[in-house]
Amino acid sequence: AQSVTQPDIHITVSEGASLELRCNYSYGATPYLFWYVQSPGQGLQLLLKYFSGDTLVQGIKGFEAEFKRSQSSFNLRKPSVHWSDAAEYFCAVGLYNAGNMLTFGGGTRLMVKP
Amino acid sequence: DTAVSQTPKYLVTQMGNDKSIKCEQNLGHDTMYWYKQDSKKFLKIMFSYNNKELIINETVPNRFSPKSPDKAHLNLHINSLELGDSAVYFCASRGSGFLTDTQYFGPGTRLTVL
Repeated sequence: AQSVTQPDIHITVSEGASLELRCNYSYGATPYLFWYVQSPGQGLQLLLKYFSGDTLVQGIKGFEAEFKRSQSSFNLRKPSVHWSDAAEYFCAVGLYNAGNMLTFGGGTRLMVKP
Repeated sequence: DTAVSQTPKYLVTQMGNDKSIKCEQNLGHDTMYWYKQDSKKFLKIMFSYNNKELIINETVPNRFSPKSPDKAHLNLHINSLELGDSAVYFCASRGSGFLTDTQYFGPGTRLTVL
């Protein structure tokens, strides 16, 4: 069965600093990869996704992620964090089968210092 | 024009009661899901329906019964509620086909069992 690990439970960065959130997955083939963001009390919003092709994908709100097959990683990055980026971030993998269920990592809570 | 909607947003009830959560999507998608997010923010798939047929039924107590009256709706009925059922429940939907392999989430229903 596939699994997703987000090693950092909490991360605190200063506003304007760069950000990298780590995600590692375990699966026999290349899964479909997603990053979702959850603001306090809100649902999940898709930031970006990787299906195939260019391993550097651009998402909304200035986020990008890079798929590295050799490291089984799909890390999320942003060059300059804004206070409004404070939220919970979830990495997920999906399988293109009949159900295509998503398996989520445990999430990383991002806090932004002024 | 909300894509995936859930009602109610909050649900507070006593142990032993029966309750339902409704989900509707206006995206024309074929597949719908229920996820549970526990108090530690961990998200786990519960059920998946495709065109009103059950596809995925993860290890969920049979007190939980999904019902899909049509392709646009997937409701979750819970019998004999227990304290451990307290969580946020998210509905999601997904279109069919490679390029539409993204799940869109509803805003969540926070269930509190007293």
